[in-house]
Amino acid sequence: DQQVKQNSPSLSVQEGRISILNCDYTNSMFDYFLWYKKYPAEGPTFLISISSIKDKNEDGRFTVFLNKSAKHLSLHIVPSQPGDSAVYFCAASDRGGSEKLVFGKGTKLTVNP
Amino acid sequence: DSGVTQTPKHLITATGQRVTLRCSPRSGDLSVYWYQQSLDQGLQFLIQYYNGEERAKGNILERFSAQQFPDLHSELNLSSLELGDSALYFCASSLTADYEQYFGPGTRLTVT
Repeated sequence: DQQVKQNSPSLSVQEGRISILNCDYTNSMFDYFLWYKKYPAEGPTFLISISSIKDKNEDGRFTVFLNKSAKHLSLHIVPSQPGDSAVYFCAASDRGGSEKLVFGKGTKLTVNP
Repeated sequence: DSGVTQTPKHLITATGQRVTLRCSPRSGDLSVYWYQQSLDQGLQFLIQYYNGEERAKGNILERFSAQQFPDLHSELNLSSLELGDSALYFCASSLTADYEQYFGPGTRLTVT
């Protein structure tokens, strides 16, 4: 039973355009959501997070949107750069229960020059 | 550099053997988490320690065990290794549950 789903295994965009990565979750107890970026042979790197009390969080070129009623979040990268090419993982946790992160399977983003 | 260190970086061993993976969390972080990433799989949570005490367990096999020491470093012990245990093992740390987890570079375990 996959509680966090990233339905697009890959995404390709042109440099300078917007990249939109999507994530759906099923567990209504999740109250904290994170995005991680991962390069080959490296550990995941924290990008941005959002608490369930918010619907948007912005950090530079990265914005995360949360739609609790739809159990959906998205990561927007504007403008996309070739260095953004990596695998992006969505993760969620129920901080009132277990503190573990539940990860999606990732979306491989390729930004073409 | 996340500040989380893991050793060794690579480990090749035979079936039936036992190995120990080591993790040093970021300075000040009290929570340590272990995750496994197998081929074509996302990151699967194994176990969490907080200030020396086991806090949560995930899909961790009985052949696997972990501990967190007084200096807050952690070790993951894998025994009676099988081919299917070949994976990347990541350690992460956080100050508390309210803060994001920072990941180490991982240990790639190959069981032959």
